[in-house]
Amino acid sequence: GQNIDQPTEMTATEGAIVQINCTYQTSGFNGLFWYQQHAGEAPTFLSYNVLDGLEEKGRFSSFLSRSKGYSYLLLKELQMKDSASYLCAVEDSNYQLIWGAGTKLIIKP
Amino acid sequence: EAQVTQNPRYLITVTGKKLTVTCSQNMNHEYMSWYRQDPGLGLRQIYYSMNVEVTDKGDVPEGYKVSRKEKRNFPLILESPSPNQTSLYFCASSPGTSGRARSEQFFGPGTRLTVL
Repeated sequence: GQNIDQPTEMTATEGAIVQINCTYQTSGFNGLFWYQQHAGEAPTFLSYNVLDGLEEKGRFSSFLSRSKGYSYLLLKELQMKDSASYLCAVEDSNYQLIWGAGTKLIIKP
Repeated sequence: EAQVTQNPRYLITVTGKKLTVTCSQNMNHEYMSWYRQDPGLGLRQIYYSMNVEVTDKGDVPEGYKVSRKEKRNFPLILESPSPNQTSLYFCASSPGTSGRARSEQFFGPGTRLTVL
């Protein structure tokens, strides 16, 4: 079966750095996405990785290793507004998105 | 403003009473999709549509119907709602039908449905 694993919840301090991991087992691979979802709101697109390596976008970076079935989202200089759930999703060989259950990130002052 | 709209945002209904949740996008997107989101389970796809008059089942289609008569609209129909369909529902659209263009999705604000 297809599976995406990410931690259920993480806590970090304002101004610090946090890394949210995602491991996947899917039928093929056509790309990995990270979305941010604030409580009670819709998910919004954060990043896309299709090749191995690091993609940087401001305070957020996303890393992919296809051989290991592994990705992480790195958030730097954490702000209170970064408190949200972070969803990892993988597009399989049929171009279907497989979603992880999400990681709830709690930022403390 | 480019957006996906859903109505209603909140709905409480009773078992067996047919309901429709509307979804509309103003971005001329080809691909549209419906998801439900339940605690601990993540997003699960109900139905999707690659274009007008083309719809396909997602992971959890039982108890739902959709139609795509116009490019902008993709309503979700529950013919006979049951309590296990209580959930948060999201409509999403994307500009393409494959690859990143399909998977970089724009979501509506969500519809919180309670079936008593």
